[in-house]
Amino acid sequence: NAGVTQTPKFQVLKTGQSMTLQCAQDMNHEYMSWYRQDPGMGLRLIHYSVGAGITDQGEVPNGYNVSRSTTEDFPLRLLSAAPSQTSVYFCASRDSFFYGYTFGSGTRLTVV
Amino acid sequence: AQSVTQLDSQVPVFEEAPVELRCNYSSSVSVYLFWYVQYPNQGLQLLLKYLSGSTLVKGINGFEAEFNKSQTSFHLRKPSVHISDTAEYFCAVIDKAAGNKLTFGGGTRVLVKP
Repeated sequence: NAGVTQTPKFQVLKTGQSMTLQCAQDMNHEYMSWYRQDPGMGLRLIHYSVGAGITDQGEVPNGYNVSRSTTEDFPLRLLSAAPSQTSVYFCASRDSFFYGYTFGSGTRLTVV
Repeated sequence: AQSVTQLDSQVPVFEEAPVELRCNYSSSVSVYLFWYVQYPNQGLQLLLKYLSGSTLVKGINGFEAEFNKSQTSFHLRKPSVHISDTAEYFCAVIDKAAGNKLTFGGGTRVLVKP
């Protein structure tokens, strides 16, 4: 049982480049979300999904795009990377009844 | 929108001493409350959660927290810390009236000294 798997673990991008951060879970959770972690600011919600085909914006959605074509996968796309997007990104999924969140191990992204 | 305040950004503490990490959230009728721990270069691990029932919640690794509705607080305590408790701790809240999104506080770094 792998839980939540994020790839890649590390990435360096140049300003203006685009990329996709991958997230997959094998727990059949309907709810999935993406957070970014910055020093002193905790984790802030970027986008979330309550099921396949349904996504919505969180607290800091600008510059990011998501889609949810299957229950298992929830990729996060950076459309045109900016230095302000340098951060650690976490994907999480949640069960529907006991609100148990499972987090991935994170992707450390640097935009130069 | 829900907000979560962790009143201490850093807490140094000696080994075997008690520690308390403070967490306050903005008022809401119905909330679920969580504490997570993040060890260096790792993801987040659930320490404990309050969904309903007893206001004193016991979690893993000897941690406990008390839900105080009137003070909108959910402080985390451990009576005797170990070096291995050095980590960052996050308080988080789900406001059931606001879309069930998990909102985090800014985190508290605990440094346990020998």
